[in-house]
Amino acid sequence: DQQVKQNSPSLSVQEGRISILNCDYTNSMFDYFLWYKKYPAEGPTFLISISSIKDKNEDGRFTVFLNKSAKHLSLHIVPSQPGDSAVYFCAAAYNAGNNRKLIWGLGTSLAVNP
Amino acid sequence: GAGVSQSPSNKVTEKGKDVELRCDPISGHTALYWYRQSLGQGLEFLIYFQGNSAPDKSGLPSDRFSAERTGGSVSTLTIQRTQQEDSAVYLCASRVGGGYEQYFGPGTRLTVT
Repeated sequence: DQQVKQNSPSLSVQEGRISILNCDYTNSMFDYFLWYKKYPAEGPTFLISISSIKDKNEDGRFTVFLNKSAKHLSLHIVPSQPGDSAVYFCAAAYNAGNNRKLIWGLGTSLAVNP
Repeated sequence: GAGVSQSPSNKVTEKGKDVELRCDPISGHTALYWYRQSLGQGLEFLIYFQGNSAPDKSGLPSDRFSAERTGGSVSTLTIQRTQQEDSAVYLCASRVGGGYEQYFGPGTRLTVT
């Protein structure tokens, strides 16, 4: 049972437009959310995060929005650039004993077309 | 600064052989994770080390899998009697003690023939 769902396996946008990547979760115990970007043959790279006590976090072209009542978060990239083409993973964190566990979505492959 | 490094980057082995995968975390990071990513799948948690605490082994898929972390730094993931379904990219990540963000190595692509 997927506790973190990224329902769109892929997304294609034009350079300069907004990219919106979505993530839904089911577990109310999650208290921190992260987005990672992954290029082929590389490990995931941390991009941006948000605490469950906030509803928005912005870092340059990247903004993450959290809607706790809907158990939904989204990553906005504005403006999108060809170098943003990668797989984006949503991850949700909770404390399991002394382990801060991350539960990962399956990823969304973003293609930004010049 | 130096990131997480993993070796080898690629490993091809015959079914039934044992393999060892190595991870060098970021210096000073007390937490270390192993994941694997099979084709078309998300990241599957395998094992977690935090300082001197007992490791969280809850993600290891079978007793053929084991890991150790020596001196709170380098970690080795061992897979005994490899099977074809073990073929995947094995990723190591580390983080500082008080944070959530994990920093990943480039992974080891394991292919069992």
